[in-house]
Formats: sequence, structure tokens, C-alpha cells
Amino acid sequence: NAGVTQTPKFRVLKTGQSMTLLCAQDMNHEYMYWYRQDPGMGLRLIHYSVGEGTTAKGEVPDGYNVSRLKKQNFLLGLESAAPSQTSVYFCASIRAGWPYEQYFGPGTRLTVT
Amino acid sequence: QQQVKQSPQSLIVQKGGISIINCAYENTAFDYFPWYQQFPGKGPALLIAIRPDVSEKKEGRFTISFNKSAKQFSLHIMDSQPGDSATYFCAAMSGTSYGKLTFGQGTILTVHP
Repeated sequence: NAGVTQTPKFRVLKTGQSMTLLCAQDMNHEYMYWYRQDPGMGLRLIHYSVGEGTTAKGEVPDGYNVSRLKKQNFLLGLESAAPSQTSVYFCASIRAGWPYEQYFGPGTRLTVT
Repeated sequence: QQQVKQSPQSLIVQKGGISIINCAYENTAFDYFPWYQQFPGKGPALLIAIRPDVSEKKEGRFTISFNKSAKQFSLHIMDSQPGDSATYFCAAMSGTSYGKLTFGQGTILTVHP
């Protein structure tokens, strides 16, 4: 049982390049989330999904797109990377309902130059 | 808009001492208050959580104190150990919000031996 995995672990992009971050969970969780973590700002929700084929915007969605074609996978896309998107990205998932424990992946460190 | 405010940003404690981290929230719809612990290079992991129908919850050396009227809650770590050195995040959630968490800014705890 791997839990939540993220690919890749590190990436360096040039401004304007695009990339996709992959999140996979093997716990059959309904809900999945993408966060970014920046120093002094905690974790901020980018997008989330409450089921296969559904996505919704979080607190900081601009510049990102997501897709959830399969229940176990949640993809985060950057179409045209900007230096402001330099951050650590975390994916998380939970089973719907109490106790709402979010299981986090190990993170992806992205640098945009 | 930061709906959960966490303090202090950093905390240094001697081994055996008590670590106290405070959070305040604004949204009265929040009804679930977890604390997450994050070690360097790892994703956050649930440490302890409380619902507002109780004023205190204790799990081992970790205690959450909750003051509903003041809209504040805090984490107390008794007999702090060097292995507790990590970043701690408070968070809050409404049960009607599909598990979405609003995080505080984080506190970097260092416990000196």
C-alpha cells in the first residue's frame, strides 16, 4: 500500500514551458487535492476533486489546470510556467466523510527560472 | 484572505520543556480543527484533531485546547523532544466543504537537546 505518490520529485522549468505533475493514490479515496507550499504562507489549495471526472477551483487556481480521468489519479498542469509558480506542490486525498484525515504525498519541488 | 492565523512563526524549546502553538480563526462555520506535523522533505501528516463539542483533546504528549467563544485553539507539546523538531500547521474545515482545509502559516519548532 503506497498511499499517495507524486511524480516527479524535482523539476526545473524555464519561463513559458509547460509540465504536468502526477498524483496517484491507492486507497480508493473519493476526494483529492493539490496544494502549494510557500515559506510563511502555509499550504494553499489550488484545485480539488470530489470524484472521477469532477474538478473545482481552490484558493489560488490561476495558472493551473487539473484533470481527474481516473479515480486514483489527479493531474496538475502548468500551461505556461512563471517564476511565481516556484514552490513545493503537495497532493492529498481523503475518504469522504468523518474523520476527514488528509493523506499527503511527498511533494514536488518546482523551480521556474 | 487568511482565515486561520497561526503564531509564533518559529519556536525554540529546550528538551523536556512545553511547546505551545496558537491559532485563531474567523469563519464560524468551521467545525473540525486538525494539527499537521511536517518533517523536512516530507508531506504533512495528521497529528491530532478536535471538534468544537469538546474543549480539550489529549493524545500522549500532545494536547489540543479549544476555546469556541474566542475562536482560538492551541497545540501543547509536553516534555518536548528533539524528535519533535518539525513544522506544525493548524488547520480548519467546515463539514460541508468537501474536506477542504484552510491552513495556518506554520510554526517551525526546534527542540534543543
